[in-house]
Amino acid sequence: NAGVTQTPKFRVLKTGQSMTLLCAQDMNHEYMYWYRQDPGMGLRLIHYSVGEGTTAKGEVPDGYNVSRLKKQNFLLGLESAAPSQTSVYFCASCRANLAKNIQYFGAGTRLSVL
Amino acid sequence: DQQVKQNSPSLSVQEGRISILNCDYTNSMFDYFLWYKKYPAEGPTFLISISSIKDKNEDGRFTVFLNKSAKHLSLHIVPSQPGDSAVYFCAASMKTSGTYKYIFGTGTRLKVLA
Repeated sequence: NAGVTQTPKFRVLKTGQSMTLLCAQDMNHEYMYWYRQDPGMGLRLIHYSVGEGTTAKGEVPDGYNVSRLKKQNFLLGLESAAPSQTSVYFCASCRANLAKNIQYFGAGTRLSVL
Repeated sequence: DQQVKQNSPSLSVQEGRISILNCDYTNSMFDYFLWYKKYPAEGPTFLISISSIKDKNEDGRFTVFLNKSAKHLSLHIVPSQPGDSAVYFCAASMKTSGTYKYIFGTGTRLKVLA
């Protein structure tokens, strides 16, 4: 019962390098989200997707791009990493667009940008 | 501007006693409130929720209380157990641009002492 799987778990980048974080869910959920968590702050929404082929900006989208080519996968890209993007990144999915919907989270990706 | 606030970064409680975790919010348009629990190196997992039209919801040892006039909710854990030691996030949902989004608090680290 995998749920939501994030790859990789850890990564260290140099400023200016690029990388892609992969999120995969096996629950056939329509909605997927990328958050970042920083010390002293709650989880902040970067981008989200309401279905295959769709993406939208969240609260802190600058410096990130996303793609949802397949329903089960949601990719988060950093084209030119900056130290300010050092954070823990969480992917989440949920079944439908309801106020009470439970989000299912991956274990996170810890990214350091030097 | 933090719309959902958890003003206590940490809390220590003796095993068997009550744990009370607090959350304040500023936006009266929130529809639902959810609590998530997070263990180290894992993603948050859903714990309990409450609709904005209710004032109490109970699930086993966990009860959430909502005071709309004060824009305050609290999570009570009775009795507290060492396995409850984790970070607890309060989240609120609101529909914007046709999609429900979730605003998270900064979290409270609960330590239950044996």
